[in-house]
Amino acid sequence: EPEVTQTPSHQVTQMGQEVILRCVPISNHLYFYWYRQILGQKVEFLVSFYNNEISEKSEIFDDQFSVERPDGSNFTLKIRSTKLEDSAMYFCASRTDRGPEKLFFGSGTQLSVL
Amino acid sequence: AQKITQTQPGMFVQEKEAVTLDCTYDTSDQSYGLFWYKQPSSGEMIFLIYQGSYDEQNATEGRYSLNFQKARKSANLVISASQLGDSAMYFCAMSSLFGNEKLTFGTGTRLTIIP
Repeated sequence: EPEVTQTPSHQVTQMGQEVILRCVPISNHLYFYWYRQILGQKVEFLVSFYNNEISEKSEIFDDQFSVERPDGSNFTLKIRSTKLEDSAMYFCASRTDRGPEKLFFGSGTQLSVL
Repeated sequence: AQKITQTQPGMFVQEKEAVTLDCTYDTSDQSYGLFWYKQPSSGEMIFLIYQGSYDEQNATEGRYSLNFQKARKSANLVISASQLGDSAMYFCAMSSLFGNEKLTFGTGTRLTIIP
């Protein structure tokens, strides 16, 4: 069964450093998302991406965050200058245009900012 | 705006018993979808079941069923014949059926199955 792949599974960084979280969505999918989950809390929407542009972003997704789909396969989330409160599990998700139930999540990247 | 409420932070259930996880929602959308996800201790999000607001019948997927009561705005998950492997965090979520269809999640219920 096809799957969404995220790398790395764990990332540790120093406060103020830039990090790039990588995702390879399922190949025929058209809609891409990033979500995050702070430890012990609910999953929160960050951003959605369709047709090579951001379609919606949450209040969390400020100027420190950016997304790219540079080569038609990878989908990246960049945090320019990490803060302690960016420590969380980051999930990538993707789906086709055939309905919301066809959404697939990756296994997540656990980001720890020290 | 959409809101999901899960009022049970934790539940303990005897193995082989059925369990109901509660979920209520609020939305101004006429068309929406309701989801349940399982998150084991390893952290991944596993899709369990989906119910569209326009579906007249409750969704079922193996041991999982979704008790959808539209008038009450509830979408409870029922797990029949629980197994030790069902121990996990369970999240209820919803999305509109137009636009980018992002998910709004509840705070989750931690289910522990007792042998």
